[in-house]
Amino acid sequence: DAMVIQNPRYQVTQFGKPVTLSCSQTLNHNVMYWYQQKSSQAPKLLFHYYDKDFNNEADTPDNFQSRRPNTSFCFLDIRSPGLGDAAMYLCATTRTGDSREQYFGPGTRLTVT
Amino acid sequence: QQPVQSPQAVILREGEDAVINCSSSKALYSVHWYRQKHGEAPVFLMILLKGGEQKGHEKISASFNEKKQQSSLYLTASQLSYSGTYFCGTDTTSGTYKYIFGTGTRLKVLA
Repeated sequence: DAMVIQNPRYQVTQFGKPVTLSCSQTLNHNVMYWYQQKSSQAPKLLFHYYDKDFNNEADTPDNFQSRRPNTSFCFLDIRSPGLGDAAMYLCATTRTGDSREQYFGPGTRLTVT
Repeated sequence: QQPVQSPQAVILREGEDAVINCSSSKALYSVHWYRQKHGEAPVFLMILLKGGEQKGHEKISASFNEKKQQSSLYLTASQLSYSGTYFCGTDTTSGTYKYIFGTGTRLKVLA
């Protein structure tokens, strides 16, 4: 089945140790998103790619970077994780057009020790 | 600016109806609705586009009032499976595909 895959599902990292989260999709969607969701809060948009165009939210910390080497893959790099970065990270995709339905991956739960 | 949802939380008995509202301070191009169960990713329910009609399937429908910059989600004859947190996602500009999630509404359906 076509889907959005996130790896790993659970990630534990140490304070200040760089970590990379990955997302892949078999839907051939041209828009990809990264959201951060903390407990009991709404998902917060960090970045999105519209084709190759990268869009960074103004309040996304510089500590967060993203790469999209091709249509199918997208990475979230956290250069120096702090305790406040512990959260669920959600990847989502959509195709431009009237449908605009967002498909979410299962998420990666990040723990910072 | 994050859209504001009301109510923040609601408890229903099976078979009761509920309305969840989403209000934006900016003009809206489209509104998505999602349901998220604990520990899972959000699941897309429906989208309403500017100039579009009210949408729905089975017992869940939604409306979009462009002038008031608001959308409402209607749940009728609620089922236990409707429990979860509901989010609206809003896009204020045509063509950007940038969606900001609302504050969320926790809904619990009791038997």
